[in-house]
Amino acid sequence: GAGVSQSPSNKVTEKGKDVELRCDPISGHTALYWYRQSLGQGLEFLIYFQGNSAPDKSGLPSDRFSAERTGGSVSTLTIQRTQQEDSAVYLCASSLVLLAGLETQYFGPGTRLLVL
Amino acid sequence: QQQVKQSPQSLIVQKGGISIINCAYENTAFDYFPWYQQFPGKGPALLIAIRPDVSEKKEGRFTISFNKSAKQFSLHIMDSQPGDSATYFCAASITMGTGFQKLVFGTGTRLLVSP
Repeated sequence: GAGVSQSPSNKVTEKGKDVELRCDPISGHTALYWYRQSLGQGLEFLIYFQGNSAPDKSGLPSDRFSAERTGGSVSTLTIQRTQQEDSAVYLCASSLVLLAGLETQYFGPGTRLLVL
Repeated sequence: QQQVKQSPQSLIVQKGGISIINCAYENTAFDYFPWYQQFPGKGPALLIAIRPDVSEKKEGRFTISFNKSAKQFSLHIMDSQPGDSATYFCAASITMGTGFQKLVFGTGTRLLVSP
């Protein structure tokens, strides 16, 4: 089947505008992660969804960031009132958690966000 | 405590040579150490991973060496090929109760294998 897909692949927006980034995980995967990759930096964890459990939002950098996952599948990451420092590649990953600690996260190609 | 330090930032190796990338961590609660490979315009892909009860893991040309006492681990790419040119990220994770694998990534190493 298909891998993790993300849309749009590129997004240019003006400072202060809201943006929505979409992630379609691999079918059947119960866990979904969002990461941010800034230039020259590693991947920074943002948020985690697992089944019907409450999401782990501990990585969200500010209250301008939010995410939801509808029907246990598609997820949307929303950034309100974008700032120039939000410019980065936003990566989504999904995994099938069979046993604790035995999972592989499969990453999508990312959305490149540029805030002017 | 949550950081993973990775070096070098960039690496140039001749075809057929050995590429070595090093990582160090502080948090002894980390229980899983994967390496990811990322090509331009693509998301990272799991390359190889190790648990702390093993000192070495080899898969083809890729080997992880793990030193628990020093809290260091490294990736060795034997017989490096131009197709290995990519950015490599080490990571460390703690497995939470719900299976949540919270990965902490190094800053990446850009590898260029010259023909």
